[in-house]
Order: sequence, then C-alpha cells, then structure tokens
Amino acid sequence: QVQLVESGGGVVQPGGSLRLSCAASGFTFSSYGMHWVRQAPGKGLEWVAFIRYDGSNKYYADSVKGRFTISRDNSKNTLYLQMNSLRAEDTAVYYCAKDGPGGADAFDIWGQGTMVTVSS
Amino acid sequence: EIVMTQSPATLSVSPGERATLSCRASQSVSSNLAWYQQKPGQAPRLLIYGASTRATGIPARFSGSGSGTEFTLTISSLQSEDFAVYYCQQYNNWPLVFGQGTKLEIK
Repeated sequence: QVQLVESGGGVVQPGGSLRLSCAASGFTFSSYGMHWVRQAPGKGLEWVAFIRYDGSNKYYADSVKGRFTISRDNSKNTLYLQMNSLRAEDTAVYYCAKDGPGGADAFDIWGQGTMVTVSS
Repeated sequence: EIVMTQSPATLSVSPGERATLSCRASQSVSSNLAWYQQKPGQAPRLLIYGASTRATGIPARFSGSGSGTEFTLTISSLQSEDFAVYYCQQYNNWPLVFGQGTKLEIK
C-alpha cells in the first residue's frame, strides 16, 4: 500500500545538525512533489519545505530558509531533510507528505512523523 | 505571506448534528484550498482539496465550499469519529500556509 516512513529524529543540542529521511513505497515516487511539514508540541501544522518531482525546484518556509535543505534520491525512493543550526523552536514532529491529486500542493499521503527535540 | 484564519477556535456540537467550520484567507487563493482532519497522536488526513473535491475514501457527509477568500467545511451529521481538529491550508502561493485549526468537540 501507499506508505511514507520517516526516520532520523532524536535529541540534538542547539546549533547542532540532524538529517531526516522519508522512505516511500506503493507509488511512483519519482512522479510526485514532496513536502516536509512540522508540528510543535500542542501546536498547529507548519509547512517547512517542498521539492519538485525531479528535484529541479525547491521552496522553504522563511523560518528555516538558509538552515534546512530538502533533497531526494529517486533511485532510492527517499526524501531527505538536512537540518543545520538547530534552534529550540525547531522542536516538533516532522512529517513527510506527498503532493496531492493532479499535482495540487495539498498533502494526500502523510508519514507517521518523527520527533525532533532541540535541547541542551 | 497569506494568512489563514479559522473560526471558531473550538466548536461544540452533538452527534448527529451539523457542523460548519470557516476559513478565511487574507487574499484570494482561488480554489486552491484544502481541509485536513487530525486526531490525537495521528498524522493529519486530507479531506477536501480544490475547495470542494473530496479526497479518496472520504465520506459524503464531508463537504467543502467557497472560493477566493471565504471557505467552509460542513459535516452534515456528526459521527463519533469526526471529533478532532480540522485545519485549512492554502496552496495558491508560496509559502504554503495552514490555518490555526478548529477543535470540534462533543457537546
């Protein structure tokens, strides 16, 4: 079945780095744009980053621009989020999500999420 | 950046009744509007995209309407499993933006 599975979360000190991965299965990964969305504890949803199906275009939220990098490896059906210069306010569950029907930037498939905690 | 405002923050409704949730955009997003449902400890689930198109497997009691800046999600007859937090999201412009959410609780 269609599935996204995130990994790589954990506890990191402020200023540190972490790389998240999202393994896709059950659909043609190389045909879809992909996103990262996060949710701080007890808070709402915040879109983080997007990468086009072929990696040719990327967009970022202002809150992470210059610190986070989204990438993908279509040969491995895997999406990545490299997070540098982490701050306490980056603490959240990070979800990867697939572009919606017809290429709409709505998220029709979500992973289960991976928790990132930035704390000393 | 477009600001998405949802109202009310909390809505108390009895099972079997109708629920109406609102979402307003600070500028036009055309029909590029999605609705999601999120239950505690779970990832969000796409309900509606294109302002009014139900996603695959979503029951017909969920309907969306609106365009431009004003949008509505209606749940025609609430079931126990519908009590959750609902988010709207615009995808007309970058950055993509979610509303702050409406918590639908049992009255």
